Amino acid sequence: DSGVTQTPKHLITATGQRVTLRCSPRSGDLSVYWYQQSLDQGLQFLIQYYNGEERAKGNILERFSAQQFPDLHSELNLSSLELGDSALYFCASSPRTGTEAFFGQGTRLTVV
Amino acid sequence: GEDVEQSLFLSVREGDSSVINCTYTDSSSTYLYWYKQEPGAGLQLLTYIFSNMDMKQDQRLTVLLNKKDKHLSLRIADTQTGDSAIYFCAETFNNAGNMLTFGGGTRLMVKP
Repeated sequence: DSGVTQTPKHLITATGQRVTLRCSPRSGDLSVYWYQQSLDQGLQFLIQYYNGEERAKGNILERFSAQQFPDLHSELNLSSLELGDSALYFCASSPRTGTEAFFGQGTRLTVV
Repeated sequence: GEDVEQSLFLSVREGDSSVINCTYTDSSSTYLYWYKQEPGAGLQLLTYIFSNMDMKQDQRLTVLLNKKDKHLSLRIADTQTGDSAIYFCAETFNNAGNMLTFGGGTRLMVKP
């Protein structure tokens, strides 16, 4: 158990819908990262937050957004969902930049 | 741009050593990581190495880093059936916090 909690574990939704994925980082970790794992793109970095502020952006679509709350949990919002958004979404946390990141178990999103 | 490459598949017999290889392109990498992903599970951090080190050993795991050739390897001694999984190498860069760039993963199959 990495200490990073993601909910829900599985999510099935229809095209055009909006979903929210939730992540609770390890106790004391200030950084939260979101990654997408798909068969065609592999593991791709989406976005990073550090202590409530956006720190880095990767290959995140405009239809996707994230935020980190004062209690340090984070949410990833995916809207206008398309079939191609079906993937495993991982959250990771680390205590500060430049050190190891610990991953949650992921949320498997299926868009039908 | 940054790119991390791994061979797709490796098959070994139980008790043998496994060597999983990875090449990366960006010489400004600061940390290099190995993660393990078992079927239906998240990413488990196995080990990492600072870019100013050549080797790191942790129980059955040995990481070798050849900075000149930008080559990273993970050796698993006395490979067990429980080591069957997908292994990802990943790197971070000086100016990108702890954003990880992953290779495509190597599927290790251990035959009894």
